[in-house]
Amino acid sequence: EAQVTQNPRYLITVTGKKLTVTCSQNMNHEYMSWYRQDPGLGLRQIYYSMNVEVTDKGDVPEGYKVSRKEKRNFPLILESPSPNQTSLYFCASRTSGGVGRLGMRQYFGPGTRLLVL
Amino acid sequence: GENVEQHPSTLSVQEGDSAVIKCTYSDSASNYFPWYKQELGKRPQLIIDIRSNVGEKKDQRIAVTLNKTAKHFSLHITETQPEDSAVYFCAAGNDMRFGAGTRLTVKP
Repeated sequence: EAQVTQNPRYLITVTGKKLTVTCSQNMNHEYMSWYRQDPGLGLRQIYYSMNVEVTDKGDVPEGYKVSRKEKRNFPLILESPSPNQTSLYFCASRTSGGVGRLGMRQYFGPGTRLLVL
Repeated sequence: GENVEQHPSTLSVQEGDSAVIKCTYSDSASNYFPWYKQELGKRPQLIIDIRSNVGEKKDQRIAVTLNKTAKHFSLHITETQPEDSAVYFCAAGNDMRFGAGTRLTVKP
C-alpha cells in the first residue's frame, strides 16, 4: 500500500530537549516536504527536498533542521525545541512534477502532534 | 515565491445549497492547482486538482474552475451534505504553497 508514515504521532517534550520526527514514504517519490499547521494559518512549509542530499528552506524554517540521506526518509529535527514550536506537523511526498497526470499529486502522512512545555 | 490567498475563511450553508471557495495566486508560472479536504484530526486529502491547460474539471458534486488570466481558481460544491463539513485548502506553485483554509459547515 502506497503511504507516508510519521513517527511519533504524539509527543510531549520540554524546552531544549532535542527531538526527531521521522518520515518515510514507499512510493519512490523524489520530492518530500514538512509542514506545520496552526489554527488560522493553514499549512506552512518548513523545509522541502527535491531529491537525495538536496534540501531547501520553506516559509518557516527557523528552529528546524532536515536531512535527506535516503530517498524514502526525510526526518525533521528540532535541536532545541521551544513552546512556539507546539504544532501539528505533516510530512508529504510527491513525484518531482512535470510530465505525467499524477506528477504533482501530494500525499500526506498522518501528522505528528507536538507539545513543547 | 508563490503567494496564495483563500476566501472566505468560514462558510456556512444549508444542506442542499452550493458552496464556493476562491483562491488567488501570484506566480503566473504555476501550473497545478489542487484542493484538499481535511476532516477534524485527520490529514489533508486531495479531492480534486486541475492543471493550467484546463479551465474546468468536474467530479460528481465537486468542480474546480481556473482563470489563468486573473490568477484565481475556485472550488464549487453542489448539493452540499453534512459530511462535506470540513476545512478545505487550496494550493498552487511548484513548491505547493497552501491557502489559509476555509472552514465549511453544512447545516442539516
